[in-house]
Amino acid sequence: AQTVTQSQPEMSVQEAETVTLSCTYDTSENNYYLFWYKQPPSRQMILVIRQEAYKQQNATENRFSVNFQKAAKSFSLKISDSQLGDTAMYFCAFMKLIAGGTSYGKLTFGQGTILTVHP
Amino acid sequence: ETGVTQSPTHLIKTRGQQVTLRCSSQSGHNTVSWYQQALGQGPQFIFQYYREEENGRGNFPPRFSGLQFPNYSSELNVNALELDDSALYLCASSALPAVHYNEQFFGPGTRLTVL
Repeated sequence: AQTVTQSQPEMSVQEAETVTLSCTYDTSENNYYLFWYKQPPSRQMILVIRQEAYKQQNATENRFSVNFQKAAKSFSLKISDSQLGDTAMYFCAFMKLIAGGTSYGKLTFGQGTILTVHP
Repeated sequence: ETGVTQSPTHLIKTRGQQVTLRCSSQSGHNTVSWYQQALGQGPQFIFQYYREEENGRGNFPPRFSGLQFPNYSSELNVNALELDDSALYLCASSALPAVHYNEQFFGPGTRLTVL
């Protein structure tokens, strides 16, 4: 079984500054995906960024980037130039590789980190 | 393109009752997954439906059951409600078969309160 741990229940940052959210995970799988999801106060979960475990290069999506350390089983999210709209709960999540085309893919989530961006 | 929708938005039930939650998948998607998110926690996988059959289940008792319809919409049924069932219930739609992983798109959730 996989576990995902987010050790920072709450974080805050000033607008335009940079913040890093931490995530560690435990798995015996070698092929998997890692995700960061954002859940704003309106509740709809949105995918922020995705990392394939077989890729050494860290994923980047505009102001969002990750630091993926496979050996250490660490997957942190860096948000640059923070904006007020970044205020949300952020979840780190794990999905193992789908072995067959129709085998189910379930997400295993961490406990979440509440990020507040202050003006 | 229509996103994932869920109904109702909020629901209040009493212990021992039964509840049905509904989810309409995103256009082009044929798979629905259900998650339970307790207050202040991360979502936990309940089960997934594909081709109108259960296609994987998490660690939830049999009183949690589901259905998927030919139009790919889905229902989550919970019998004999307990206080601990109070949570936000999220559904996520995706498409199978998939290569490597199935990207899941979430609905806004149904907030269930059990008194």
